[in-house]
Amino acid sequence: EVQLVESGGGLVQPGGSLRLSCAASGFTFSSYWMHWVRQAPGKGLVWVSRINSDGSSTSYADSVKGRFTISRDNAKNTLYLQMNSLRAEDTAVYYCARENYYDSSGPNWFDPWGQGTLVTVSS
Amino acid sequence: DIQMTQSPSSLSASVGDRVTITCRASQSISSYLNWYQQKPGKAPKLLIYAASSLQSGVPSRFSGSGSGTDFTLTISSLQPEDFATYYCQQSYSTPPTFGPGTKVDIK
Repeated sequence: EVQLVESGGGLVQPGGSLRLSCAASGFTFSSYWMHWVRQAPGKGLVWVSRINSDGSSTSYADSVKGRFTISRDNAKNTLYLQMNSLRAEDTAVYYCARENYYDSSGPNWFDPWGQGTLVTVSS
Repeated sequence: DIQMTQSPSSLSASVGDRVTITCRASQSISSYLNWYQQKPGKAPKLLIYAASSLQSGVPSRFSGSGSGTDFTLTISSLQPEDFATYYCQQSYSTPPTFGPGTKVDIK
């Protein structure tokens, strides 16, 4: 069964740091681009970051650029999100998701998604 | 960034109703449009990818259409398990962006 399981969320003070993990199983993790998407309480879905299959290329939303770092360990089948200088507006459920496509130049989509991990930034 | 809008923002419907949700992109995105269903406290679930392709395991009452800037998600006969929030998402350019969601609840 293809599965993604996030961990590492919790309560952190403004200005603090947290590292999220996403453990993948049931597929060849090293072959897929991976993403983080977040959802503030009662709000919609917002893309955060993505990393290519070997970790050599990353991209970030402007709202987290310079504060968050996405990485992966293909030997451990794990995706990470290091979050520094956290702000109240970073409070959200963070989902990891696998990117799928027919071919690399065509449409792509997110499937599956992990169950999410809640990050709360508050004093 | 490409802006995505959805209409309506919410709707009330009965079991058996035909439901249509519209998604519009701020520029042409060809067929680079996906639809997700999200139930409270759960992760989003892929329903439709590349505008009109039904994800494996998703009931055939769900269908998607459109290209360019205008897209629709149709549920041909609403079932009790379909009450949820639906999001469209463009994958044409980075950053991928989502619509604000359409909440479907029970009339």
